[in-house]
Amino acid sequence: ILNVEQSPQSLHVQEGDSTNFTCSFPSSNFYALHWYRWETAKSPEALFVMTLNGDEKKKGRISATLNTKEGYSYLYIKGSQPEDSATYLCASKAAGNKLTFGGGTRVLVKP
Amino acid sequence: NAGVMQNPRHLVRRRGQEARLRCSPMKGHSHVYWYRQLPEEGLKFMVYLQKENIIDESGMPKERFSAEFPKEGPSILRIQQVVRGDSAAYFCASSPARGVLETQYFGPGTRLLVL
Repeated sequence: ILNVEQSPQSLHVQEGDSTNFTCSFPSSNFYALHWYRWETAKSPEALFVMTLNGDEKKKGRISATLNTKEGYSYLYIKGSQPEDSATYLCASKAAGNKLTFGGGTRVLVKP
Repeated sequence: NAGVMQNPRHLVRRRGQEARLRCSPMKGHSHVYWYRQLPEEGLKFMVYLQKENIIDESGMPKERFSAEFPKEGPSILRIQQVVRGDSAAYFCASSPARGVLETQYFGPGTRLLVL
């Protein structure tokens, strides 16, 4: 994998259901993986920074896992609520300090 | 603690004019990053600055674009002689330090429209 890729591009979730989506990134020269939550017309909001293989992070109903050997991260939303509707971005940090972003997964939670 | 501030939020320019985008980092943050989101594309890194120094400008177009982060005042992204292809959302982020685990905190962006 040469670029950071996210799938699916978008998904619809029924309120109360749980969901998850994927971020794939180059496993070579990997330093850290960042997740952001981005609501329309607002600033991207930092969710997690992960570096270690097997790392798991949790913030409320949102959690993330990291596999640095195969180059992927999952983000999970448990019991989705309408306020979880947003675009979720992942970004890989390699050497240097710049972030390389995926295209995002747009989540729409339907009441 | 106020977040990252960007102004203006919206900017309209005619072809050939100059655009100046400002970014005030969070208090205590001395590292600033600029990213651009072209229509239908993701966020792309442009430049990384630390007070008075450009650290990495590998994502900056070779011509017409420049960035600075002076000792006093906000960081400025300057686009000279704008063209329609410069229409995009420009985001600034800041961090307190350079480390691997440092979070970059984003501003709300400046939407540039070139007529």
